[in-house]
Amino acid sequence: DTGVSQDPRHKITKRGQNVTFRCDPISEHNRLYWYRQTLGQGPEFLTYFQNEAQLEKSRLLSDRFSAERPKGSFSTLEIQRTEQGDSAMYLCASSLAFLGVGNEQFFGPGTRLTVL
Amino acid sequence: QKEVEQNSGPLSVPEGAIASLNCTYSDRVSQSFFWYRQYSGKSPELIMSIYSNGDKEDGRFTAQLNKASQYVSLLIRDSQPSDSATYLCAVNRGSQGGSEKLVFGKGMKLTVNP
Repeated sequence: DTGVSQDPRHKITKRGQNVTFRCDPISEHNRLYWYRQTLGQGPEFLTYFQNEAQLEKSRLLSDRFSAERPKGSFSTLEIQRTEQGDSAMYLCASSLAFLGVGNEQFFGPGTRLTVL
Repeated sequence: QKEVEQNSGPLSVPEGAIASLNCTYSDRVSQSFFWYRQYSGKSPELIMSIYSNGDKEDGRFTAQLNKASQYVSLLIRDSQPSDSATYLCAVNRGSQGGSEKLVFGKGMKLTVNP
């Protein structure tokens, strides 16, 4: 399978705990994105990386959220001190950057987080 | 005004009919436009991308873009029960617009009845 992969697929945690999610992009893709989706809504952008550099962050990304892509390959998204409002599907996508328009983003299966 | 708006739906069509999905966007700097299909409990799957005014056809799918009217649509011909899903419209400013994020609408749920 050469698509985007995410781990874990499901995570149940108690309020106040820290959680970390991993995303492995399509191998030749240099851009990696994180989105969050709640029921009945479209995905909302959180952040994106081009290679190792984090180039854009949403105002939605509070201080409790941090993302890394240390070697320009896989990425991790950590949520500290989880709150019930963090319950959502966390989606990772990747794309191949090139000049001009384009930038088709392909999504992984997502990690569903439930905060009790 | 929301950045990307889709008709609230849901939309129900009989098998074999044409399903028409519409989307408007507010950011005139938007350069790239996408339609994603999302089955219940699954992640979004890219089905169409369009960058220039006019029509783009891919099998049973046709995307239409009118930048002057800030309008994107998706037509699904010969609709099949397997097309039943939520369809998400997404727009992107691109590097020229200074942002690579996708901005999504809320989605339109389509049901194709056998």
